[in-house]
Amino acid sequence: EVQLVESGGGLVNPGRSLRLSCTASGFTFGDYAMSWFRQAPGKGLEWVGFIRSKAYGGTTEYAASVKDRFTISRDDSKSIAYLQMDSLKSEDTAVYCCARALLACGSACYPYFFDYWGQGTLVTLSS
Amino acid sequence: QSVLTQPPSVSAAPGQKVTISCSGSSSNIGNNYVSWYQHLPGTAPKLLIHDNDKRPSGIPDRFSGSKSGTSATLGITGLQTGDEADYYCGGWDYSLSAWVFGGGTKLTVL
Repeated sequence: EVQLVESGGGLVNPGRSLRLSCTASGFTFGDYAMSWFRQAPGKGLEWVGFIRSKAYGGTTEYAASVKDRFTISRDDSKSIAYLQMDSLKSEDTAVYCCARALLACGSACYPYFFDYWGQGTLVTLSS
Repeated sequence: QSVLTQPPSVSAAPGQKVTISCSGSSSNIGNNYVSWYQHLPGTAPKLLIHDNDKRPSGIPDRFSGSKSGTSATLGITGLQTGDEADYYCGGWDYSLSAWVFGGGTKLTVL
């Protein structure tokens, strides 16, 4: 059974950093791209970014709202995807969740759907 | 303001049918696959439809998807109270180099 479990959320002051983890089980983690999403209170789902598998270069793409502040990485030996969040702002308050991504490849490889998701971990910015 | 446009809410009685529209552009829906997700806040989102009209295993055939041009539609027949949730369409936008969602549609089964 595929499972994705996020951890690392909590209360943090604006300007500080936080690292979230997405621990995967039930599939060969290294074969898949992984993505992060968030949902702010009262808002819809928002894509944060994704990381390709090593077979596709292990490269990353980010939403404009988090680019240059957030970094996605992966440790295939531990089946974990990470979301490093720096220079946090009040508008980053949200439930963050990860999902397994299926890639379509043309001139580049990008997600065309997300088949398994975690429940999420809450990040709250408060001074 | 979401890149993809969905109605904020839809409602229908149990047993009835409902459709949820998703409007985009040539840089997303028009030239890429659409997928649909069901989400109850506090739970993991669930994939309902991928590749415009394909259901993953375990998703009942009450759920269907279609795409025409720069718009997509999710259909749900035989509505059940358990279908009450938020529904999102999504797809890759090659101009933005980003995954984009609709704003979400809240389904109420009256």
